[in-house]
Amino acid sequence: GENVEQHPSTLSVQEGDSAVIKCTYSDSASNYFPWYKQELGKGPQLIIDIRSNVGEKKDQRIAVTLNKTAKHFSLHITETQPEDSAVYFCAARLSNFGNEKLTFGTGTRLTIIP
Amino acid sequence: GAGVSQSPRYKVAKRGQDVALRCDPISGHVSLFWYQQALGQGPEFLTYFQNEAQLDKSGLPSDRFFAERPEGSVSTLKIQRTQQEDSAVYLCASSLARLGTTDTQYFGPGTRLTVL
Repeated sequence: GENVEQHPSTLSVQEGDSAVIKCTYSDSASNYFPWYKQELGKGPQLIIDIRSNVGEKKDQRIAVTLNKTAKHFSLHITETQPEDSAVYFCAARLSNFGNEKLTFGTGTRLTIIP
Repeated sequence: GAGVSQSPRYKVAKRGQDVALRCDPISGHVSLFWYQQALGQGPEFLTYFQNEAQLDKSGLPSDRFFAERPEGSVSTLKIQRTQQEDSAVYLCASSLARLGTTDTQYFGPGTRLTVL
């Protein structure tokens, strides 16, 4: 099955600086890669996603890049703000027909230092 | 509009008790997923429904775990004879997705199960 690795496990950045979180996946058949933000006591919330036919996607301060050859994808947050502090998860989904499950990484705890 | 809701939010069970966790998906969402999230880990897939059909239950850790969605809306995850290793947050997610498409999975707040 699919395996997703995520690094780093913790990340602290000064407010206003950029943060980068990286993930690798094992199955080249994966075709959908969402990123979720999880705050304490809440469920994961989708912040951005990318499909395998696209190399980069941006939404305001958040961007995701995908390298299918190397099987890795990254989350970039620019101009970080205190409210960006949370745990971030990457995930991957196989393209098998009817196989909708997401395989998640182990998470990155991002702390923004005011 | 209303998101995915789960109840109860917290459940404490003694080892050996049975528990039932409820998920109310977003209205009109065809697909429903259950995930288990251990402390400090990412969610792990348990099972998946499309309408009332359980299409994938490969992630259920043992035959003590059972899920149903009889009318294609509300779902219940039941755990029989709970063990300490069942302690985790159980997340429910729903999506519009039909077979062969990809849509956002929207997560509920989870049920935190603690087995003593």
